[in-house]
Amino acid sequence: GAVVSQHPSRVICKSGTSVKIECRSLDFQATTMFWYRQFPKQSLMLMATSNEGSKATYEQGVEKDKFLINHASLTLSTLTVTSAHPEDSSFYICSAREDTWGQGNSYEQYFGPGTRLTVT
Amino acid sequence: LAKTTQPISMDSYEGQEVNITCSHNNIATNDYITWYQQFPSQGPRFIIQGYKTKVTNEVASLFIPADRKSSTLSLPRVSLSDTAVYYCLVVPYNNNDMRFGAGTRLTVKP
Repeated sequence: GAVVSQHPSRVICKSGTSVKIECRSLDFQATTMFWYRQFPKQSLMLMATSNEGSKATYEQGVEKDKFLINHASLTLSTLTVTSAHPEDSSFYICSAREDTWGQGNSYEQYFGPGTRLTVT
Repeated sequence: LAKTTQPISMDSYEGQEVNITCSHNNIATNDYITWYQQFPSQGPRFIIQGYKTKVTNEVASLFIPADRKSSTLSLPRVSLSDTAVYYCLVVPYNNNDMRFGAGTRLTVKP
């Protein structure tokens, strides 16, 4: 199946700094990518939907000025956590949707391995 | 959006068949039922997807009754490595809105 990568896999930063997380679809083009956050022992929470070439759509309660999303190409979306604080420490997971048009429309979605962010 | 309800946790033993049931009473006509598996500190992994009746692949079977208000993921002969959280999702046909519920934490014991 298709592969989605994330970089870095883990990052530790100091409070007040910004951190950028990359999400790449390695062997397919992804018009749409999704960003999730997961706290320990909890489920994944959808943060935003990222569409190539347009502004991301954020879920209610997610600060768009704090979590900057850029989807500049069909294979790369980035999430920047600005002015990070300890409460932003979490596991961030992206997914990419492969749109396949042909005899049948397919919208397979593939998840990345996640990025562990720790803010000290 | 159809909300899903699954047991919070389940225990099983190696070699047994495990059935995890998910309720989705408000499923829409265009919705598909999808199951994911997640290990700690990893992204979710697709297991199986179906619309109605029965779907089977190399790792699991998915049973969906005619009214589609519930579904059952069946894992044959589980092993210790199947210990994970299993999520049932009801998603529109274009997978454009995937929201995770609490999931079922499956523990397989020796």
